[in-house]
Amino acid sequence: AQSVTQLGSHVSVSEGALVLLRCNYSSSVPPYLFWYVQYPNQGLQLLLKYTTGATLVKGINGFEAEFKKSETSFHLTKPSAHMSDAAEYFCAVSRDGGATNKLIFGTGTLLAVQP
Amino acid sequence: DAGITQSPRHKVTETGTPVTLRCHQTENHRYMYWYRQDPGHGLRLIHYSYGVKDTDKGEVSDGYSVSRSKTEDFLLTLESATSSQTSVYFCAITAGPGPGELFFGEGSRLTVL
Repeated sequence: AQSVTQLGSHVSVSEGALVLLRCNYSSSVPPYLFWYVQYPNQGLQLLLKYTTGATLVKGINGFEAEFKKSETSFHLTKPSAHMSDAAEYFCAVSRDGGATNKLIFGTGTLLAVQP
Repeated sequence: DAGITQSPRHKVTETGTPVTLRCHQTENHRYMYWYRQDPGHGLRLIHYSYGVKDTDKGEVSDGYSVSRSKTEDFLLTLESATSSQTSVYFCAITAGPGPGELFFGEGSRLTVL
């Protein structure tokens, strides 16, 4: 069965500092992995996704993530945090190897950015 | 704006009453989903639809039913609401079977007293 684990429910960084949000997955099939962001009182929006091919995936707003099969990880990074990055971030894996859009979401990481 | 409207956006109801949440899309997408979001659980799939009158269960479907009589509308019904169904409910749509981008509505916050 597929699952994702997000390490750290709350992460706080200073403006301009590196952002690192951790996600580890478990999958019995080649995983399709996603990062979504949720701003207050809004729905989720896609940051980036990994399906096949290049393991370093670039997304919107300067975020990127690297698929590491050996570590079963898909950590999200951004070199320099902005105040506008404060939000909740969700890692997700496809339930059935990408055949559908039924996703299994992690429990989320709330990112705070300090001035 | 992904053209998704959820209604009502906020609702307070009492245990045992029926509740229907509506998701309306203007994108003519075939696939629609209902998720619930709870602290410590992330988002969990309740039901989904892959076409008019074609629906299936997700991982937390007990106590919920859905209907889709038109492409643009996907209704989620709680036949007899319970306090455990207090949650934020999100509708999502996507154009293809997978693995594409899910577009989410702004959510419906339901409180069951």
